[in-house]
Amino acid sequence: SQKIEQNSEALNIQEGKTATLTCNYTNYSPAYLQWYRQDPGRGPVFLLLIRENEKEKRKERLKVTFDTTLKQSLFHITASQPADSATYLCALDRDDKIIFGKGTRLHILP
Amino acid sequence: DSGVTQTPKHLITATGQRVTLRCSPRSGDLSVYWYQQSLDQGLQFLIQYYNGEERAKGNILERFSAQQFPDLHSELNLSSLELGDSALYFCASSVQGWGHTGELFFGEGSRLTVL
Repeated sequence: SQKIEQNSEALNIQEGKTATLTCNYTNYSPAYLQWYRQDPGRGPVFLLLIRENEKEKRKERLKVTFDTTLKQSLFHITASQPADSATYLCALDRDDKIIFGKGTRLHILP
Repeated sequence: DSGVTQTPKHLITATGQRVTLRCSPRSGDLSVYWYQQSLDQGLQFLIQYYNGEERAKGNILERFSAQQFPDLHSELNLSSLELGDSALYFCASSVQGWGHTGELFFGEGSRLTVL
């Protein structure tokens, strides 16, 4: 069955450094992959979408890569700030559904 | 503010009861998705509607049902509630039904506690 794996352990990064989060998937080739941010008790908020024919996408301090051979997406936050602390979810499409990974909690330490 | 409205925000009820969660999508969005989020399971896809018709189904229990009305709002009905149904229930909407349409806009969720 389709699996999406994100680091279940929290990631602690020093302020100003680059945070890199990983999303791996198996048993499928999605047409695109999305990244969302979720704050405690709030709904997820869309950040970036990358299509299967795109290697990299950028938006301000965010960068996403998509390697369909490795079945992996990397999500980077450069010049990280404490306000970037949140849970980050990756999501992909499968059979008319958008399914989510469990997310990685990111803590940016001042 | 995503433009997606969910009510109620919080709901406490007893086992065996039935509740209805309501979602109003963003203006112009035809598609509504329901997700369940618990601490150990993450966001689980339940069901999707597009313009009033069921479009895709996830691991939705038989005790749960949903519908999308002509005005495009949607309701998720949960019956014979069990302790394990306690979770955050999210509604999301998107412009189109599918086909690489892009982002989902999520509401703030309805937190259900079953005692």
